Amino acid sequence: DTGVSQDPRHKITKRGQNVTFRCDPISEHNRLYWYRQTLGQGPEFLTYFQNEAQLEKSRLLSDRFSAERPKGSFSTLEIQRTEQGDSAMYLCASSLGPGGYTEAFFGQGTRLTVV
Amino acid sequence: QKEVEQDPGPLSVPEGAIVSLNCTYSNSAFQYFMWYRQYSRKGPELLMYTYSSGNKEDGRFTAQVDKSSKYISLFIRDSQPSDSATYLCAMSGLIQGAQKLVFGQGTRLTINP
Repeated sequence: DTGVSQDPRHKITKRGQNVTFRCDPISEHNRLYWYRQTLGQGPEFLTYFQNEAQLEKSRLLSDRFSAERPKGSFSTLEIQRTEQGDSAMYLCASSLGPGGYTEAFFGQGTRLTVV
Repeated sequence: QKEVEQDPGPLSVPEGAIVSLNCTYSNSAFQYFMWYRQYSRKGPELLMYTYSSGNKEDGRFTAQVDKSSKYISLFIRDSQPSDSATYLCAMSGLIQGAQKLVFGQGTRLTINP
């Protein structure tokens, strides 16, 4: 499989619990993005990695959110002390740099429901 | 003010109609302009991308960019029911060392047979 893979596809958790999502980008891609998408909205930027370096993090992201990309390969997104407002689709995308824009390929997303 | 503004619709048109989707943006640093298509419960897929002002055509789809007005459009000719989806405009540019990729709100399009 040469596409972007996200795991799990669906997650239901109780409010206050911690959750972790995983993204496996296309193997040669060095850029990795995380987005959050709620119903009827476009993807909202969360954070961006170039190789293992986290170059940008949205100001909208609270301290409960953290992302890592060890060794510049797969990435994890952790949400601590989940709240009902965290319910959304979490999308991961990867692309190849350097240089300007190159096509960002998206995974199928992880749908989080906080009850 | 959002960096990228897109009319969320929804937009419903009969099969065969010409569809026009539009976005405006505020950051002059954006250099690349994309249209993504997203089907329900799927990740977005790239439909077209352009770099310069002007038109780019791909089959029934035409992407138009006007950098002076900070305005982009997507036209769909001879629309088909299979074109029913959410269409997202996106912009990219190197901003503070990061290749930023920002999306509009998305327009939900339905083509009625």
